[in-house]
Amino acid sequence: AQSVAQPEDQVNVAEGNPLTVKCTYSVSGNPYLFWYVQYPNRGLQFLLKYITGDNLVKGSYGFEAEFNKSQTSFHLKKPSALVSDSALYFCAVRDPYSGAGSYQLTFGKGTKLSVIP
Amino acid sequence: GAGVSQSPSNKVTEKGKDVELRCDPISGHTALYWYRQSLGQGLEFLIYFQGNSAPDKSGLPSDRFSAERTGGSVSTLTIQRTQQEDSAVYLCASSLVGGRANTGELFFGEGSRLTVL
Repeated sequence: AQSVAQPEDQVNVAEGNPLTVKCTYSVSGNPYLFWYVQYPNRGLQFLLKYITGDNLVKGSYGFEAEFNKSQTSFHLKKPSALVSDSALYFCAVRDPYSGAGSYQLTFGKGTKLSVIP
Repeated sequence: GAGVSQSPSNKVTEKGKDVELRCDPISGHTALYWYRQSLGQGLEFLIYFQGNSAPDKSGLPSDRFSAERTGGSVSTLTIQRTQQEDSAVYLCASSLVGGRANTGELFFGEGSRLTVL
């Protein structure tokens, strides 16, 4: 079974500082990994994904994430945080070769990011 | 519109009543998902439709929950005899293709917030 852990319920960072939102995963095969963002009272928006290739993937709004197979991690990063980045961030994983569940996207519980002016 | 549309955006009902939540996916998207988002619980998979295949109902929490997708497009999630623990945001998502071929992201609607008194 696939699973995702986001160890931090909340991350606080000062505006202009780098931010990291942590994610670790567990799948039996090679994962597809995703980050989504949710602003208040809105649906989830796609930020970026890792399917294959370069371990560092770049996405929307200046975010990037690094796939680390040995540590089974896919941490979300941004060099300089903005107040407008304050939102709920979800990491998600698919195992495309897991049979009947290969289409399921399993989400972490989310990390609330607060960027302090 | 171009995105996933969900209605109603908010629904308040009394315990024991039935509710229907509607999802209109992006035109041409063959895969449709329902997720439930409860406070502090992340996103919980409910059901998945892919084309004309039998849906995966493995995530439905009880037999009070059912869903259908008519004509491969609009989907309705029905909750019978609602209970207070059914209170949550119900999110619908669609994607262009399903199954192993899907390396892309899900597109989410803004959700239907259900409150059971």
